[in-house]
Amino acid sequence: DIQMTQSPASLSASLGETVTIECRASEDIYNGLAWYQQKPGKSPQLLIYNANSLHTGVPSRFSGSGSGTQYSLKINSLQSEDVASYFCQQYYNYPYTFGAGTKLELK
Amino acid sequence: EVQLQQSGPELRRPGSSVKLSCKASGYSITDYLMHWVKHRPEHGLEWIGWIDPEDGETKYAQKFQSKATLTADTSSNTAYMQLSSLTSEDTATYFCARSRVSTGDYFDYWGQGVMVTVSS
Repeated sequence: DIQMTQSPASLSASLGETVTIECRASEDIYNGLAWYQQKPGKSPQLLIYNANSLHTGVPSRFSGSGSGTQYSLKINSLQSEDVASYFCQQYYNYPYTFGAGTKLELK
Repeated sequence: EVQLQQSGPELRRPGSSVKLSCKASGYSITDYLMHWVKHRPEHGLEWIGWIDPEDGETKYAQKFQSKATLTADTSSNTAYMQLSSLTSEDTATYFCARSRVSTGDYFDYWGQGVMVTVSS
């Protein structure tokens, strides 16, 4: 199975700040990576697919990048509504696997 | 508006089974794969498998091969997952989520999740 190592596990940032979350795959996943946002008590919401494509309706302050085994999610100009947990998912190979998640809080 | 409406919380005894439902609205389930994902806070998210409601084809993670059975009823636009021989390890929140086979198995819509508790 492809292991997804996500970092950091938690993150505290100020409004307006830029934050970056990373996922490292145990092997090349050829951009088969998605990022999701999940708020408490809610279902996950797709942010980014194919490593760098912004899902419809997602604010442009979210962006994804990376290739091979290294991927990142960047949030520019952090807003209060971005407080949530974020996780990555690889869908390049079965079984699909997820990162452990990053909990983003306001400083 | 696309929605995946899952059934309510379940409490089951060890050794029993449970069947969860995921009713889709706003689209035809035959146009997308339906996936199921398990979430336990201490274990994170685990992908269980998918079903293609158009032809009933399924794909399971090996770990869930003998635990989960995925089915779909196109007449009611609903997908189902049955979990058998329940143990405490099956206590979790289960999500359904769809993907379009032609664009990659990322999940653009998720159900709200259903909590399954296995306890004697």
